[in-house]
Amino acid sequence: NAGVTQTPKFQVLKTGQSMTLQCAQDMNHNSMYWYRQDPGMGLRLIYYSASEGTTDKGEVPNGYNVSRLNKREFSLRLESAAPSQTSVYFCASSRGPTNEKLFFGSGTQLSVL
Amino acid sequence: QKEVEQDPGPLSVPEGAIVSLNCTYSNSAFQYFMWYRQYSRKGPELLMYTYSSGNKEDGRFTAQVDKSSKYISLFIRDSQPSDSATYLCAMTRNNAGNMLTFGGGTRLMVKP
Repeated sequence: NAGVTQTPKFQVLKTGQSMTLQCAQDMNHNSMYWYRQDPGMGLRLIYYSASEGTTDKGEVPNGYNVSRLNKREFSLRLESAAPSQTSVYFCASSRGPTNEKLFFGSGTQLSVL
Repeated sequence: QKEVEQDPGPLSVPEGAIVSLNCTYSNSAFQYFMWYRQYSRKGPELLMYTYSSGNKEDGRFTAQVDKSSKYISLFIRDSQPSDSATYLCAMTRNNAGNMLTFGGGTRLMVKP
């Protein structure tokens, strides 16, 4: 039982490059989330998907787009990476939108030069 | 001022010590309180969950909420080197997963 799986684990980009972070969960959860974690800032919500077919902005959505591909998969895209997007990105899932118990993946460490 | 404050540490204790980790918050509407443990280069994992005020115990871990003081604590008894991690508090005013507010985390080191 893998839980929440994120790929890649590490990535280095140059300013202006694009990339997609992949996330998949095998817990049959309805809701999925993308967070970023920066030193001293705590986890901040970028986007979330309450259920398959819906996505909504979180606290820090600028510069990102998401796709809820199906119930299992939720991807995060950086169209034109900026140094300010250097961070550790976590995908998470929960049983539903009214369930605050989140299960996290292992993260993607992204550096934008 | 951040909505949720946590001392970043690091907090270094000897094995077997009682550890107290704390968070203060400013939003009196918060009702659901959680503690996550995060090992280095891993994602956070839910450790403790409490609703409203009071205590909750799970093995060596006790979570305490004092809503009147806007203060929550996590106590670890008989601390072990395997408890060395960053501990994040999180809270929300309702039970929506997209409304969590996280603290910045406290790094704990338990030395053998």
